[in-house]
Amino acid sequence: KAGVTQTPRYLIKTRGQQVTLSCSPISGHRSVSWYQQTPGQGLQFLFEYFSETQRNKGNFPGRFSGRQFSNSRSEMNVSTLELGDSALYLCASSLQLAKSEQYFGPGTRLTVT
Amino acid sequence: LAKTTQPISMDSYEGQEVNITCSHNNIATNDYITWYQQFPSQGPRFIIQGYKTKVTNEVASLFIPADRKSSTLSLPRVSLSDTAVYYCLVAAGNQAGTALIFGKGTTLSVSS
Repeated sequence: KAGVTQTPRYLIKTRGQQVTLSCSPISGHRSVSWYQQTPGQGLQFLFEYFSETQRNKGNFPGRFSGRQFSNSRSEMNVSTLELGDSALYLCASSLQLAKSEQYFGPGTRLTVT
Repeated sequence: LAKTTQPISMDSYEGQEVNITCSHNNIATNDYITWYQQFPSQGPRFIIQGYKTKVTNEVASLFIPADRKSSTLSLPRVSLSDTAVYYCLVAAGNQAGTALIFGKGTTLSVSS
């Protein structure tokens, strides 16, 4: 069974631009969650989508948004990029809600200059 | 607001048992406590999950006291390949529903 895939793996953007990251979950998984990982703050929960609906959300500003499609694939968008948005963005999928066992992708490394 | 606390780092030798404790307050009363392992340049990998008392699988044990204010991951007879960062994950209520909160991670270094 194929694992969670994320595209692109690396991305360089300029401050003020926007970016869209993509995540394909494991086949049959209905929940997709997004996390931001930085050396200073560690792993922080962004939001979770289940059956195309946002179910839970962390404490991030509205510049961070996401959506999930009918095939469970998910995208995350960050608008008006700031230098502090530079991070590894991880996507995880699970059969049920994210509180159950999650399978993580390799992440997208975003650098904002 | 829920908060988790883990030791920043731990050292061990091959063959020893390692116990990593995570303190967590204000967590959701009906949700699991989960532990993940992360190697460099990889996403976290699920180790074990429990609600209360003790859970054991083929790689680890998880001890959760009745008050659920802490949890202890136990790795029996560690090997060099267990060198990694270990995170606890808990669920806590927030204005938007439920937030998933990772600890800051414990870097385990295993030597021969």
